[in-house]
Amino acid sequence: QVHLVQSGAEVKKPGASVKVSCKVSGYTLFELSMHWVRQAPGKGLEWMGNFDPQDGGTIYAQRFTGRVTMTEDPSTNTAYMELSSLVSADTAVYYCTTAVMIPALDYWGQGTLVTVSS
Amino acid sequence: NFMLTQPHSVSESPGKTVTISCTRSSGSIASNYVQWFQQRPGSSPIIVIYEDNQRPSGVPDRLSGSIDRSANSASLTISGLKTEDEADYYCQSYDSSNHNWVFGGGTKLTVL
Repeated sequence: QVHLVQSGAEVKKPGASVKVSCKVSGYTLFELSMHWVRQAPGKGLEWMGNFDPQDGGTIYAQRFTGRVTMTEDPSTNTAYMELSSLVSADTAVYYCTTAVMIPALDYWGQGTLVTVSS
Repeated sequence: NFMLTQPHSVSESPGKTVTISCTRSSGSIASNYVQWFQQRPGSSPIIVIYEDNQRPSGVPDRLSGSIDRSANSASLTISGLKTEDEADYYCQSYDSSNHNWVFGGGTKLTVL
């Protein structure tokens, strides 16, 4: 059984950075392309980017380029998403998600609430 | 770059059929597969349709997906509506020009 377990809620001040983790169990992270999706309160889903470990490449949504970094640690089977220069509009639930059984995002983490407030 | 536009909300009675549309702003809807996700309040999204019309294991056949090339849109149809179908639904596709994944704005389905 595949599980994606994310780190706990964070409260950050404007201008700070946040790093969210996503630990994978039941599958080898190297075989997965991990995506990150966020959802602001009361808003829709927004794709942020993905990391493909097979070629080490990352694709970021344009609006996050320069502020987001997606990485992985094969030794702990954990993916990370770091977002810098936080503003209040970055307050959202951040999800890691990947395709395992089908060619679509069929496994999701439980979400991590990041609150940006002074 | 393209956008996927969904109606903000739809409502229908239990037992009836509802269709949620997802219109692609530019480029052909048939160029890239469309997926549909269901999200209940406080929960992570769940995929209910992939590759335009395929149902993942465990998704009831009351849910179906299709694309309409003439309207440049995709649709999610739910028949025999149940109160448990009440949720937000999102369409999603892939933009080959910049390798980005695109979500529609979401549709709130009310079953009343």
